[in-house]
Amino acid sequence: EAQVTQNPRYLITVTGKKLTVTCSQNMNHEYMSWYRQDPGLGLRQIYYSMNVEVTDKGDVPEGYKVSRKEKRNFPLILESPSPNQTSLYFCASSFISGSLYEQYFGPGTRLTVT
Amino acid sequence: AQSVSQHNHHVILSEAASLELGCNYSYGGTVNLFWYVQYPGQHLQLLLKYFSGDPLVKGIKGFEAEFIKSKFSFNLRKPSVQWSDTAEYFCASNQGGKLIFGQGTELSVKP
Repeated sequence: EAQVTQNPRYLITVTGKKLTVTCSQNMNHEYMSWYRQDPGLGLRQIYYSMNVEVTDKGDVPEGYKVSRKEKRNFPLILESPSPNQTSLYFCASSFISGSLYEQYFGPGTRLTVT
Repeated sequence: AQSVSQHNHHVILSEAASLELGCNYSYGGTVNLFWYVQYPGQHLQLLLKYFSGDPLVKGIKGFEAEFIKSKFSFNLRKPSVQWSDTAEYFCASNQGGKLIFGQGTELSVKP
């Protein structure tokens, strides 16, 4: 089954404790992206990647890191989480050509930083 | 700055009522436009998309949208909503390789 998976789905952590949210897709998509969803603000892009070893900042990259060592994986790293990073996070992937960024979304990770 | 605006934050309708959700984008170049739906507790799913051609696009579950280039609009419509359409709806535009989302419109349908 074609899908984007994220782990964990729920996470409660404390300020400053490094964490990683994993994202994996099995559709051989070149493009992967991370978004955060906050009430009244819609989805805002954090980072995206056009292919292996190619990443770029989205609209709200501060406090986050990503890596793209393999095509299928695109982990989101919070080196020192803060309460303002409490949010719902979505990973997405798509082909770059053809369907022109029709993105497939993962199930979401709800992060709470206390 | 490139942006996508959704005019309605929360819409409440009764079953069988007609629906129109507004969406405007600001980008002068070629755009690809999308409507996504997020049912409670679930991830985003694609409802429909516009790349080129016929400006009236039909999607899943009876939804359609019309691209009006002169108005920079891509409004979502459904002639008769159902209780199961209760969800949050996001308009999005692919602008220069980035997917820009609107703020979302929460639709509540009363049985």
